Amino acid sequence: DVKVTQSSRYLVKRTGEKVFLECVQDMDHENMFWYRQDPGLGLRLIYFSYDVKMKEKGDIPEGYSVSREKKERFSLILESASTNQTSMYLCASKVTNEKLFFGSGTQLSVL
Amino acid sequence: RKEVEQDPGPFNVPEGATVAFNCTYSNSASQSFFWYRQDCRKEPKLLMSVYSSGNEDGRFTAQLNRASQYISLLIRDSKLSDSATYLCVVNGQRDNDMRFGAGTRLTVKP
Repeated sequence: DVKVTQSSRYLVKRTGEKVFLECVQDMDHENMFWYRQDPGLGLRLIYFSYDVKMKEKGDIPEGYSVSREKKERFSLILESASTNQTSMYLCASKVTNEKLFFGSGTQLSVL
Repeated sequence: RKEVEQDPGPFNVPEGATVAFNCTYSNSASQSFFWYRQDCRKEPKLLMSVYSSGNEDGRFTAQLNRASQYISLLIRDSKLSDSATYLCVVNGQRDNDMRFGAGTRLTVKP
């Protein structure tokens, strides 16, 4: 079965910490995405990657960076976490023109 | 204007009711359309893709109107288990750029 795995289900960090969110997919998908989901705002695209080492900014890239060194792994990095980055983070992957598969999400709290 | 807009919720309906959601999109070149279902504190999961000719899956019917740039989801004979948030998904300006509506919350009551 298709699988997108996010490394942590819940994470608590302090303001100013560097935070890594990891995502791994086992479907050999070329496209991977990071979204955040906030009540009333829906899912907003942070970054996506269409190939190894390739990335494009989404709607809200400020305060985030990403890394895709291997096809199966897409990492989201918060260089200096802030309280307004408290959110649910969802990783997803897909092939071109096909449906998205999501990981189970990481609820990040920044104190 | 948002790229993808959905009916504002919440929708509260009795069991057995028929309910319809609409979703409009701004990019006339969009190619892929989907409805996802999201349960509370869970990840979104694909409910159904939306095809140009419309498509049905049991009690669920999805339609696409390219001229008016909207898609719809019809749920017949609502069940308690249909209670969830329904997300409209459209590919954006770039082929691999999927954009979500804010979601419509449905509650089916006994």
